[in-house]
Amino acid sequence: ETGVTQSPTHLIKTRGQQVTLRCSSQSGHNTVSWYQQALGQGPQFIFQYYREEENGRGNFPPRFSGLQFPNYSSELNVNALELDDSALYLCASSLQGSDEQFFGPGTRLTVL
Amino acid sequence: SQQGEEDPQALSIQEGENATMNCSYKTSINNLQWYRQNSGRGLVHLILIRSNEREKHSGRLRVTLDTSKKSSSLLITASRAADTASYFCATDPIGANNLFFGTGTRLTVIP
Repeated sequence: ETGVTQSPTHLIKTRGQQVTLRCSSQSGHNTVSWYQQALGQGPQFIFQYYREEENGRGNFPPRFSGLQFPNYSSELNVNALELDDSALYLCASSLQGSDEQFFGPGTRLTVL
Repeated sequence: SQQGEEDPQALSIQEGENATMNCSYKTSINNLQWYRQNSGRGLVHLILIRSNEREKHSGRLRVTLDTSKKSSSLLITASRAADTASYFCATDPIGANNLFFGTGTRLTVIP
């Protein structure tokens, strides 16, 4: 166990809806990164948050947004859901400047 | 693309045999990491090798890195059925603050 938790475990939504996924980072970690993993693929970087601000973003549209809170937990919000958004969403916490990221168990999102 | 590419995509071996997976990448890196994933669950960090290292061991795992060829290999010795999982390499490119993952190798160890 990495100490990183995510909720919910599974989620089913329909096209056009909005979703919020949550991540609690490992104690002492100040950085959270979010990844999207489509079926059969490797994780793709969405964005990273450090000290409550976005600190890097991958090739994802603006309808993917996030927040980081003072306790370093984080949310990933996706608006106007599309079928292709169906994936496992992983968050990873780390200490800024450290090489290693600790991943949570993921949230499986299905968009119908 | 900065994404690592694993080879083979799938590997099936008998318990007790060794398993070797390879990873190639395209950019200069700070380090390369290997992760394991069971049945679409979270990623488990296995080992990290820095750009100035050539080989690293951890238990039954041996990782090599050749920065001139931009490639790495993961060797799992004396495999067990419990090693059945997907294995991903992830590069930490210079100038980036995130990891770039490959598409993974699906390892099946037959008891």
